[in-house]
Amino acid sequence: NAGVTQTPKFQVLKTGQSMTLQCAQDMNHNSMYWYRQDPGMGLRLIYYSASEGTTDKGEVPNGYNVSRLNKREFSLRLESAAPSQTSVYFCASSEPDTQYFGPGTRLTVL
Amino acid sequence: EDQVTQSPEALRLQEGESSSLNCSYTVSGLRGLFWYRQDPGKGPEFLFTLYSAGEEKEKERLKATLTKKESFLHITAPKPEDSATYLCAVSGSGTYKYIFGTGTRLKVLA
Repeated sequence: NAGVTQTPKFQVLKTGQSMTLQCAQDMNHNSMYWYRQDPGMGLRLIYYSASEGTTDKGEVPNGYNVSRLNKREFSLRLESAAPSQTSVYFCASSEPDTQYFGPGTRLTVL
Repeated sequence: EDQVTQSPEALRLQEGESSSLNCSYTVSGLRGLFWYRQDPGKGPEFLFTLYSAGEEKEKERLKATLTKKESFLHITAPKPEDSATYLCAVSGSGTYKYIFGTGTRLKVLA
């Protein structure tokens, strides 16, 4: 039982490059989330998916897109990376009222 | 607007010195208040969910309490392994989105 896995663990991009962050969970949860965590800002919700086939914007969705590929997988795409997107990204899946977080992806945009 | 404020930002305790962390919140209809622990370089780990004023939950040296405006995480006789950042989050009625505070960094000295 791996829980929530994220790839890659680290990534360095140049401004304007694109990339996709991958997330998968093996707990059969309906809900999945993408957050970013910045010093002094706490965890901020980017997008979430309440169930397979649905996605909704969170607090800071600009510059990101998501795909809920199936019940297990929820990906986050940066189409044209900007230095302001330098952050640590966490994926989470949730059974009602308990979120399980992945280990995070540390992204640097130069 | 839903908001979570945690205090203090940082706290240093001697081993065995009990204290409390505060989480003040404003939310339109509280569905739940959540406490997480986060170790450096890792994703948050679930601790407690509280649903209504007066509710209390305990786990080892930690006890969480809830009023209509705030929650406290009481740490009794802490040990160095309790050193971590403690995050508070709320979710409003009719939604499964979560709003996180910026956390309290706790350091327990041996």
